[in-house]
Amino acid sequence: DVKVTQSSRYLVKRTGEKVFLECVQDMDHENMFWYRQDPGLGLRLIYFSYDVKMKEKGDIPEGYSVSREKKERFSLILESASTNQTSMYLCASSSRAGGRETQYFGPGTRLLVL
Amino acid sequence: QKEVEQNSGPLSVPEGAIASLNCTYSDRGSQSFFWYRQYSGKSPELIMFIYSNGDKEDGRFTAQLNKASQYVSLLIRDSQPSDSATYLCAVKPPGGYNKLIFGAGTRLAVHP
Repeated sequence: DVKVTQSSRYLVKRTGEKVFLECVQDMDHENMFWYRQDPGLGLRLIYFSYDVKMKEKGDIPEGYSVSREKKERFSLILESASTNQTSMYLCASSSRAGGRETQYFGPGTRLLVL
Repeated sequence: QKEVEQNSGPLSVPEGAIASLNCTYSDRGSQSFFWYRQYSGKSPELIMFIYSNGDKEDGRFTAQLNKASQYVSLLIRDSQPSDSATYLCAVKPPGGYNKLIFGAGTRLAVHP
């Protein structure tokens, strides 16, 4: 079974703090993704990575950065957390192979920024 | 125009009925189509994927794809209260990296 884990299920941070969200997958997937999900807005792609040390901006990268030093791990960094970054953060991974684009999601991290 | 559109619902069906969930997409070159189920407070889980025109059945679920009309649907037969969730349609547009475009989801409520 594909397993994607995220470092925290719930997180409370203060405005201005630097926040690290970590994601680990055990399926040797090349692609990894970070989304945020807000009511009425659906899943929005923040960043994705298609290989170690490679990253591409998604639809809403502002205020976020990412790091992928190892194939199995993809980190999302909020450089200076703000209240509008309160959200559910979902990590996903997928194979790069054609016909195997299914994305598998981690359990999510619910972040509250006060 | 949104790239992947779904009716937000809620779609309310009685237990045992067929639930029909629809999704349209804008990029005619899209290649792969996915249905995910998401329970409240949980992450999305894959139900089905479909690549070719026509129907694909898996248990109580049937995915239908019509590329000419640019829509994909999910039928749930013999709906159960445990099917109550938000259903997300996802589409892989042309191009690399296997990015998916997600719709905002349709909330399904199955009442006893």
